[in-house]
Amino acid sequence: DAKTTQPPSMDCAEGRAANLPCNHSTISGNEYVYWYRQIHSQGPQYIIHGLKNNETNEMASLIITEDRKSSTLILPHATLRDTAVYYCIVRIYSGSARQLTFGSGTQLTVLP
Amino acid sequence: EPEVTQTPSHQVTQMGQEVILRCVPISNHLYFYWYRQILGQKVEFLVSFYNNEISEKSEIFDDQFSVERPDGSNFTLKIRSTKLEDSAMYFCASSAQFNEQFFGPGTRLTVL
Repeated sequence: DAKTTQPPSMDCAEGRAANLPCNHSTISGNEYVYWYRQIHSQGPQYIIHGLKNNETNEMASLIITEDRKSSTLILPHATLRDTAVYYCIVRIYSGSARQLTFGSGTQLTVLP
Repeated sequence: EPEVTQTPSHQVTQMGQEVILRCVPISNHLYFYWYRQILGQKVEFLVSFYNNEISEKSEIFDDQFSVERPDGSNFTLKIRSTKLEDSAMYFCASSAQFNEQFFGPGTRLTVL
């Protein structure tokens, strides 16, 4: 699976959009971009995933650049409860039981 | 909303003792996983399980570890002879085919 690079930490004001970047310059054509988050030692929580088109769900939006070498997770109106470590993971979308490889992620702190 | 559950939430054991961590995956999921997170470190993959056999395992998952799906609902992780370095949060996850992994709240294992 391709390696990802994320900033170690970011701050965001409550109510504002949080934009979390991720670089995955070695991504291959059959690899998807997944985002998970972990709130203070709880189990990781799936947020969103995508291949090349932008995706949106009730939690967030995912913007993937045209060359697919980077992506941005957008939380449109961050709340204090969005304070967490956010992980960008690249892996093949597979029918087999493939592992997720977690990096260090980005610690997002939402400030009141 | 269906969720993965884990018991116990906290397990304290003496070094050398056997422990069994229990998980109830989401009912229609077919793929099951164990991850662990040592305090302050990354989430690490241990093992994945499908169709009553191990699909993938990491180097961490040595002969001291075993997994089992003893009935139609439970998925267990056994550590035969615990070491101090096994102290960690253990997360169970499950997924349907081709879909994201849903994580449980974790079991904190403390080995004294």
